[in-house]
Amino acid sequence: KAGVTQTPRYLIKTRGQQVTLSCSPISGHRSVSWYQQTPGQGLQFLFEYFSETQRNKGNFPGRFSGRQFSNSRSEMNVSTLELGDSALYLCASSLDRGGPGNEQFFGPGTRLTVL
Amino acid sequence: AQSVTQLDSQVPVFEEAPVELRCNYSSSVSVYLFWYVQYPNQGLQLLLKYLSGSTLVKGINGFEAEFNKSQTSFHLRKPSVHISDTAEYFCAVSDSGGGADGLTFGKGTHLIIQP
Repeated sequence: KAGVTQTPRYLIKTRGQQVTLSCSPISGHRSVSWYQQTPGQGLQFLFEYFSETQRNKGNFPGRFSGRQFSNSRSEMNVSTLELGDSALYLCASSLDRGGPGNEQFFGPGTRLTVL
Repeated sequence: AQSVTQLDSQVPVFEEAPVELRCNYSSSVSVYLFWYVQYPNQGLQLLLKYLSGSTLVKGINGFEAEFNKSQTSFHLRKPSVHISDTAEYFCAVSDSGGGADGLTFGKGTHLIIQP
């Protein structure tokens, strides 16, 4: 079974631009979560989608948004990029929402650099 | 709100020596606890998890962790490390089984294995 895939793996943008990152979960997984990883702040939860609905959101500004499609694939968008948005963006999928043993499987991440 | 503290940002250890990576958490509710490993340029891989039951949890690659409720700790241990264990290790907590409301991560501990 294929793992979580994220595209693109690397991305370079300039301030003020917007970017869209894509995540394909493991087949059969319906929950997709996004995390931002930076050297200063570590790993921070962005949001989680389940059955095309955002079920929870972390403490990030509205410039960060996402969506999930009927096939469970997810995209996240960052508008008006800032230098501080440079980070590794990780996507994780899981079988179902909540409940014990609900392991999240992580993709390799998209490395975003904002110049 | 939950928080996770990993007391050491770096831990250097000689090959074949034992290692303990420390993790303390705070939460007002019952929690589930996880340890993830991140190798360079890769996503996170689950090492082990504590959901309930026995407080000693065994994971992959010879790692184990012990949940101590009174000390709010979940330290990770390995009796004999190998060069291949060099990686970043993250402790994480969730109050919903690790799936729905996002994981709260510690800042990570870089395990450096010296030959």
